[in-house]
Amino acid sequence: EDQVTQSPEALRLQEGESSSLNCSYTVSGLRGLFWYRQDPGKGPEFLFTLYSAGEEKEKERLKATLTKKESFLHITAPKPEDSATYLCAHSGSQGNLIFGKGTKLSVKP
Amino acid sequence: DTGVSQNPRHKITKRGQNVTFRCDPISEHNRLYWYRQTLGQGPEFLTYFQNEAQLEKSRLLSDRFSAERPKGSFSTLEIQRTEQGDSAMYLCASSLGTGSAAHEQYFGPGTRLTVT
Repeated sequence: EDQVTQSPEALRLQEGESSSLNCSYTVSGLRGLFWYRQDPGKGPEFLFTLYSAGEEKEKERLKATLTKKESFLHITAPKPEDSATYLCAHSGSQGNLIFGKGTKLSVKP
Repeated sequence: DTGVSQNPRHKITKRGQNVTFRCDPISEHNRLYWYRQTLGQGPEFLTYFQNEAQLEKSRLLSDRFSAERPKGSFSTLEIQRTEQGDSAMYLCASSLGTGSAAHEQYFGPGTRLTVT
């Protein structure tokens, strides 16, 4: 069964303390790896799509990378406004997204 | 605002009642998805439409759930005879796409359902 596992479940950082979130997946024939940000009580906000191993994408303090088995979301010098839950998903066979449980990031000033 | 909109934002209902949610997708998007999200979990796929055709349904979508997308525009999700286990955030998303692969999906703010 296709699965997405995210780690850690929660991460607390000090402002400026860089770190990485992990997303590992088991799927035969990856057809897209997606990262979303979700604030409490809101819908997920699209961040990145990655399609092939070695691909990287950046947006402000965030950089997403992809290998054959996992993806990382690197956060450089985070700010308190980066606090959110970060969700990883891959493309299912039904045209849907299959999500992990997310990593809840808290950045303290 | 040209994003995905959902109404109502919150719904409290008593067990056994029927509820209906509405989703208005981004206007040029041909695909519309419904997901359900409970606390501490990622969104779980329920069903999706390509234009007005309902193409896929998850096994999570019991007979009490029905979705429509008349004329390929807005969509409604109805839950009949609600149960306490139906309490969740119901999310709608839309995308452009063809084929069986998922594409970048843009989510609405969700409808939070509480069944008492």
